[in-house]
Amino acid sequence: GAGVSQSPRYKVAKRGQDVALRCDPISGHVSLFWYQQALGQGPEFLTYFQNEAQLDKSGLPSDRFFAERPEGSVSTLKIQRTQQEDSAVYLCASSLVAYSGANVLTFGAGSRLTVL
Amino acid sequence: GDSVTQMEGPVTLSEEAFLTINCTYTATGYPSLFWYVQYPGEGLQLLLKATKADDKGSNKGFEATYRKETTSFHLEKGSVQVSDSAVYFCALSDSNTGNQFYFGTGTSLTVIP
Repeated sequence: GAGVSQSPRYKVAKRGQDVALRCDPISGHVSLFWYQQALGQGPEFLTYFQNEAQLDKSGLPSDRFFAERPEGSVSTLKIQRTQQEDSAVYLCASSLVAYSGANVLTFGAGSRLTVL
Repeated sequence: GDSVTQMEGPVTLSEEAFLTINCTYTATGYPSLFWYVQYPGEGLQLLLKATKADDKGSNKGFEATYRKETTSFHLEKGSVQVSDSAVYFCALSDSNTGNQFYFGTGTSLTVIP
């Protein structure tokens, strides 16, 4: 597609429910990032994929968070047993090349998760 | 560790006013520096970047110069327009510290006619 597509755009979950957020990166993009953006804050790194390999998951806040990119294109961020502190906008970004420090990221519009 | 500190908002300016949004950084290596902009309801978009000291990034009338001596990357525009109203994020990327970008907290800009 022309850009990074994320779904759903909005998700309301009851505390304790599992949620899955989807990211369709730009076709052919090697690198894929997930970020968490709390209200009034900048994006915080969660995890990074190069093709299907998850090379860095140091930003995942707990073992309730899991991400995958099994075929090196679409990625899913799963949050188990959601808590209120998980409420945030989850951003996906992709880049054409493998991470090099000077990469330009293309971001999706985000998935806004609200946990009641 | 690496971090970015940017000027807190919100900032409100009249059309055609001069804009400065301050950004300073801390990095262990030699980072690349970026400004991203987020318009209402949209994803973050790259505004400009600089990859080494003394580089100047520019786009749509915005400029920022990578100053290693002051560890700064301040965003400037000589004459803002209503359409520049958005949230601006300063960011750094340092391949020495892993596969991540570090973002500031964002500065909300509103330009009034």
